Amino acid sequence: SSELTQDPAVSVALGQTVRITCQGDSLRSYYPGWYQQKPGQAPVLVFYGKKNRPSGIPDRISGSRSGDTASLTITGAQAEDEADYYCNSRDSSGNAVIFGGGTRLTVL
Amino acid sequence: EVQLVESGGGLVQPGGSLTLSCAASEFTFSVFWMNWVRQAPGKGLEWVASIRPDGSETSYVDSVKGRFTISRDNSKNSLFLQMGSLRAEDTAVYYCVRDRSSSWFDYWGQGALVTVHS
Repeated sequence: SSELTQDPAVSVALGQTVRITCQGDSLRSYYPGWYQQKPGQAPVLVFYGKKNRPSGIPDRISGSRSGDTASLTITGAQAEDEADYYCNSRDSSGNAVIFGGGTRLTVL
Repeated sequence: EVQLVESGGGLVQPGGSLTLSCAASEFTFSVFWMNWVRQAPGKGLEWVASIRPDGSETSYVDSVKGRFTISRDNSKNSLFLQMGSLRAEDTAVYYCVRDRSSSWFDYWGQGALVTVHS
């Protein structure tokens, strides 16, 4: 299929670890990008590929992939991590780009 | 610092047309794939279109094929999105986005709001 599925909402206690998942057939062929979006702001790339974190992104954010599921893990969540998170990849044909529906992360 | 600045958004009637522009600076524009990504109010991100660095190849999401055209002018470091036969469901913030590789989007503009309403 050409879809990426994310849980609509996830919550985590301050300082705890949370995993946000993204599932889709295209992820068997393509590593995803992960984006953080805060209200009223443009998205920011926070992790991409097998093990890449853009400059300025804290190392408490990491990514992984197994089969058709990719995960973004935040270890020791902080209040500033509260945001919407999106995954994306090329679709299975490689000719288009798809996004997951997004996960709203709440830090309690 | 890489900058992407969109312009051209606004209110347009259903069936109308609008062209968005994106001015790029502080990077070698001519070697990167570029994209438009949109976000309807309160909704998620949707990829709209991509264009190859030399402009020779483009691709579109199915819902805009035949209505939207992505183009670029590398001599002016500019990206464009011509939008026609606009529908209410095209209402969104449109982001100009750089593809660092493999459809990983590393720089985003601030967005341009397009509202399709009679």
